[in-house]
Amino acid sequence: EDQVTQSPEALRLQEGESSSLNCSYTVSGLRGLFWYRQDPGKGPEFLFTLYSAGEEKEKERLKATLTKKESFLHITAPKPEDSATYLCAVWGGGSEKLVFGKGTKLTVNP
Amino acid sequence: EAQVTQNPRYLITVTGKKLTVTCSQNMNHEYMSWYRQDPGLGLRQIYYSMNVEVTDKGDVPEGYKVSRKEKRNFPLILESPSPNQTSLYFCASSASGNTIYFGEGSWLTVV
Repeated sequence: EDQVTQSPEALRLQEGESSSLNCSYTVSGLRGLFWYRQDPGKGPEFLFTLYSAGEEKEKERLKATLTKKESFLHITAPKPEDSATYLCAVWGGGSEKLVFGKGTKLTVNP
Repeated sequence: EAQVTQNPRYLITVTGKKLTVTCSQNMNHEYMSWYRQDPGLGLRQIYYSMNVEVTDKGDVPEGYKVSRKEKRNFPLILESPSPNQTSLYFCASSASGNTIYFGEGSWLTVV
């Protein structure tokens, strides 16, 4: 069964303090690993899709990387508007289901 | 603009009163899905559909029904809602295997 574990559950940063969020996964035949941002009461907003180990993608202050067992979302010099819950999800080859982790709640203080 | 539209956004209903949450997408996507999100449990898949007339159960299908008569629409039906179905519901769509787009969510309270 596909599984996704995100850590930490919550992270508090000062503005400008860079850090990383972790997403560990087990899946039979990875078809895609997705990162989403979710603000309270809103739908998840797509950030990145990674398909194979070694792949990296960047968007503004965010950079996502992928290995065979985990993915990292690196946040460089975060701003308060980066505060949100970040969700990781995997789409396995043996299933048509997208399996989500429980998310990391990021708070960036000014 | 690419959109997944859900209605209603907010609903309070009583136990046993049938209700339908509609979902429509304008991206001609084959794949559509319903999720519920509960505190501490994250997003869990209820049902999904690979194409018209093709639906399958997700992780938490009990108490729900779906239909896919048209490519753009994927309604979620609660035949006899119960309080444990109080949750935030999301519809999503994708061109199979690619980026999955989510609607804005539907807050459902069953009293």
